[in-house]
Amino acid sequence: ETGVTQSPTHLIKTRGQQVTLRCSSQSGHNTVSWYQQALGQGPQFIFQYYREEENGRGNFPPRFSGLQFPNYSSELNVNALELDDSALYLCASSLYRFDTEAFFGQGTRLTVV
Amino acid sequence: AQSVTQLGSHVSVSEGALVLLRCNYSSSVPPYLFWYVQYPNQGLQLLLKYTSAATLVKGINGFEAEFKKSETSFHLTKPSAHMSDAAEYFCAVSDPGNTGKLIFGQGTTLQVKP
Repeated sequence: ETGVTQSPTHLIKTRGQQVTLRCSSQSGHNTVSWYQQALGQGPQFIFQYYREEENGRGNFPPRFSGLQFPNYSSELNVNALELDDSALYLCASSLYRFDTEAFFGQGTRLTVV
Repeated sequence: AQSVTQLGSHVSVSEGALVLLRCNYSSSVPPYLFWYVQYPNQGLQLLLKYTSAATLVKGINGFEAEFKKSETSFHLTKPSAHMSDAAEYFCAVSDPGNTGKLIFGQGTTLQVKP
């Protein structure tokens, strides 16, 4: 059974560019959540996808968007990158929508210059 | 709105000493509570969770936490620290009706001295 995998592991982008981060959920998990973890901070909830539909969103602007595919893998897209978007982006998958155990990937470290 | 406060951004203990990491929560509904550990350059790993069953919860690696409603606390303890426990620890809360949205505290860095 493979765990949650995220790609790429590291990424450097220029302010104003767009970025796509990818997440493969753990086998059998139909729910994926995305978090942003700024340096020295706790993770902040961006949004959750359940069976290909957004199922809750945190306090992030619309330039943060996502997708979930039929195989339950997911993408996080960020448009018009800002310096403050530099962070570790974590993906977590759960077996079902109200599961209390989320399995986290190792994250994608995004640096915006 | 739910929130989590972790008292002490850095905690330093000697190997073999008691580990106590403090977490207080605020929630308008009976919450679910979690402790996660993060090792350098890695994601989060669930240590333990409280989901309204027993108030004393035992987790992995010898950690446990006690839910105290009267104190709105969920402190993490381990009787004897090991060097491998050095990491970042996060307390988190969720609404039982929305378990996918975890609200995390700022984190506590645990240093273990030989």
